[in-house]
Amino acid sequence: LAKTTQPISMDSYEGQEVNITCSHNNIATNDYITWYQQFPSQGPRFIIQGYKTKVTNEVASLFIPADRKSSTLSLPRVSLSDTAVYYCLVGIKGSSNTGKLIFGQGTTLQVKP
Amino acid sequence: EAGVTQFPSHSVIEKGQTVTLRCDPISGHDNLYWYRRVMGKEIKFLLHFVKESKQDESGMPNNRFLAERTGGTYSTLKVQPAELEDSGVYFCASSQPGTASSYEQYFGPGTRLTVT
Repeated sequence: LAKTTQPISMDSYEGQEVNITCSHNNIATNDYITWYQQFPSQGPRFIIQGYKTKVTNEVASLFIPADRKSSTLSLPRVSLSDTAVYYCLVGIKGSSNTGKLIFGQGTTLQVKP
Repeated sequence: EAGVTQFPSHSVIEKGQTVTLRCDPISGHDNLYWYRRVMGKEIKFLLHFVKESKQDESGMPNNRFLAERTGGTYSTLKVQPAELEDSGVYFCASSQPGTASSYEQYFGPGTRLTVT
């Protein structure tokens, strides 16, 4: 899986929009970009997945530029409960892959009141 | 719908003892994964079952670890004998049939293993 780089930590305040950028310079043509969220004492939780341009769901938006060498997870109007670790993963979506997830250090987001 | 469950939530054992962790995936999920995070490190893949068959066990650290998935339902991960470096949080995840490569996996809360 392509190596990813993301900030170790970020701080924000309630009500703000938070953007977490992930670099994946070696992303391959067939790679998809996936983000997971992990709260303390819980397992990671799938947030969003995309291949190019923009993907939006009820939780977040994922912005992917044309060259796909980076991606940005956008969390609108965060609350204290959004305090968590956010992981960016890059890999192949296809029958040849076992679905093994490779986690990096992630970005610890601290939302303050 | 019940999520992925793991038992026990926390286990404290002495070095040399045996521990068995259990994972119950979401009903109907053929794919079952084990991961672990040891202190200060990243979450690491251990192995992947498709139904009762081991699809990928490349992450199993050594032969002290044995994973089984009888009948393609729940899975157990046995550590025998446990060593101090086995301490950490063991996560189980499952995903729907045919989506092994979709990266949308459902994780359990984890089992915290402490070896003293």
